[in-house]
Amino acid sequence: EVQLVESGGGLVQPGRSLRLSCTTSGLTFGDYAMTWFRQAPGKGLEWVSFISSKAYGGTTEYAASVKARFTVSRDDSKNIAYLQMSSLKTEDTAVYYCSRGYRYSHGSVMYYFDYWGQGTLVTVSS
Amino acid sequence: QSVLTQPPSVSGAPGQRVTISCTGSSSNIGAGYDVHWYQQLPGAAPKLLIYGNNNRPSGVPDRFSGSKSGTSASLAITGLQAEDEADYYCQSNDSRLSGWVFGGGTKLTVL
Repeated sequence: EVQLVESGGGLVQPGRSLRLSCTTSGLTFGDYAMTWFRQAPGKGLEWVSFISSKAYGGTTEYAASVKARFTVSRDDSKNIAYLQMSSLKTEDTAVYYCSRGYRYSHGSVMYYFDYWGQGTLVTVSS
Repeated sequence: QSVLTQPPSVSGAPGQRVTISCTGSSSNIGAGYDVHWYQQLPGAAPKLLIYGNNNRPSGVPDRFSGSKSGTSASLAITGLQAEDEADYYCQSNDSRLSGWVFGGGTKLTVL
């Protein structure tokens, strides 16, 4: 059974940093892209960051709202994906979800996100 | 304001059919990117419902179906059940934003 478990959330002051972890099991972690999404209280889903598998270069991408502040990484030996968040703002307050990205080709290379963790709450407040 | 536009809410009685629309533009759905749909039950994480416009993952009932045409996509749910009450999100890629985009979500109420 595929499982993704986020951890590392909590209350943090504006301007500080926090690192989230996504610990996985039941999948060949290194074969898949990993993605972070977030959902502010009472709001919709927002894509945050993406890291491809090493087979496709381990490339990273970020939403404009977090670029230059957040860094995504992966440790294939531990089956864990990370999201390092710095210079946090109050608008970063949200539940953060990690998800497995399934790569496929349909004209272009695309991904859909088939397994999700339960989420971890990050609250940025003074 | 979401890149993809969904109605905020839809409703239907048990057994009825409802559809949820997802309207995009020439930089996302209209550019040929596939649409995927997610169901989020109250207090839970999102769950993949439809991938690649019209494909159901294993375990998703065939009461759920998806379609895409031009710059829009739709999710149809037939034989509505109380357990279908949830938020539904469409998702695609956007070439102008260079990333993944969602609709604002549609809350389905089963009357």
